Amino acid sequence: TQLLEQSPQFLSIQEGENLTVYCNSSSVFSSLQWYRQEPGEGPVLLVTVVTGGEVKKLKRLTFQFGDARKDSSLHITAAQPGDTGLYLCAGLFSGTYKYIFGTGTRLKVLA
Amino acid sequence: KAGVTQTPRYLIKTRGQQVTLSCSPISGHRSVSWYQQTPGQGLQFLFEYFSETQRNKGNFPGRFSGRQFSNSRSEMNVSTLELGDSALYLCASSLGDYLYNEQFFGPGTRLTVL
Repeated sequence: TQLLEQSPQFLSIQEGENLTVYCNSSSVFSSLQWYRQEPGEGPVLLVTVVTGGEVKKLKRLTFQFGDARKDSSLHITAAQPGDTGLYLCAGLFSGTYKYIFGTGTRLKVLA
Repeated sequence: KAGVTQTPRYLIKTRGQQVTLSCSPISGHRSVSWYQQTPGQGLQFLFEYFSETQRNKGNFPGRFSGRQFSNSRSEMNVSTLELGDSALYLCASSLGDYLYNEQFFGPGTRLTVL
């Protein structure tokens, strides 16, 4: 059973556009992470959010953890071709070291 | 600092065979987690080892097993392979902290079962 739903599944945009990816669940997580994966490689961690309502910025990327710690969003400003990849959210279940990964959002930024 | 290495990178097996995959974590990392990634199911957690002990387990059948050695290197074994076991198997190493646990993934082993 997939507990973390990401939307949209696919996104193709022009360079310079803004976009938001959503990660939703009915479960509460102790923390939530965002990763980016490129073809032939393993996922690379972008950010970890822990506190409900927390907002973190990483250059053009803004991450937000929902107040109830059940959802998160990733906003990219002025997307660049280098942002192309598979974006994955991963939630950590309370009291465990078990991460559940989202369904993934495949982003393609066209030059 | 060397990253996470996985061997082999590619593997082709036939149904009924067994396979062993290896993962060498980043030096100093005591936690190793294994994941299966497929187009249909995405990235699914198999199990996590910390200091040679399995600390967490996902919802996979008993054909999937693993172990961790005293130097933190880990192996994953799949017995009686099925066609549906074809996937990219990823391992991730970390210090094993709780909330801010940063997992570093290897490039994966691509397993094809014929």
